[in-house]
Amino acid sequence: KAGVTQTPRYLIKTRGQQVTLSCSPISGHRSVSWYQQTPGQGLQFLFEYFSETQRNKGNFPGRFSGRQFSNSRSEMNVSTLELGDSALYLCASSLWAGDSYEQYFGPGTRLTVT
Amino acid sequence: SQQGEEDPQALSIQEGENATMNCSYKTSINNLQWYRQNSGRGLVHLILIRSNEREKHSGRLRVTLDTSKKSSSLLITASRAADTASYFCATDAGNYGGSQGNLIFGKGTKLSVKP
Repeated sequence: KAGVTQTPRYLIKTRGQQVTLSCSPISGHRSVSWYQQTPGQGLQFLFEYFSETQRNKGNFPGRFSGRQFSNSRSEMNVSTLELGDSALYLCASSLWAGDSYEQYFGPGTRLTVT
Repeated sequence: SQQGEEDPQALSIQEGENATMNCSYKTSINNLQWYRQNSGRGLVHLILIRSNEREKHSGRLRVTLDTSKKSSSLLITASRAADTASYFCATDAGNYGGSQGNLIFGKGTKLSVKP
């Protein structure tokens, strides 16, 4: 099975712009989660989608949004970019293992805001 | 906010030695997972241990879980230079104010294995 894919892998944007990142989960996985990783804050949960519905959201401003399509592919959007949004954005697709989820991560999108 | 806290923050050992990393967490969990991350890349799932399990093995990895102490440890035996990476523990949000699909990560242990 192909793993989780994320596009693009690297992105450079200017403050004030917006950006859209894409994630394709492992075939058969219906849950997709997004995380932001920075040196200062570590890995932080952004949101999770299941069957096109946002089930859970982390503590991030409304500038961060996402959606999931019927084929389980997901996108996240960040509007009005700030310097502090520079980070590695990781997407994970999840498989229900009976009583818990196992999450499988993509390679990430490295976003640099200048 | 962080749920898991790894200890030590950094660990440097020689090839062939064992590496032990510890993780503590704050609230009750459904399971705890360990991940590896090579230098700014994606996370690789290593092992999941459920709250009713005490120990689990996978190849050179051994994970223990002590729910009474809210702690877990990851042991890598006979380490190799290729094990050089950051290691994170992550807890299932479970009862921690969220639904499934939300992992809460510690800050990680940076392991360096010298050849």
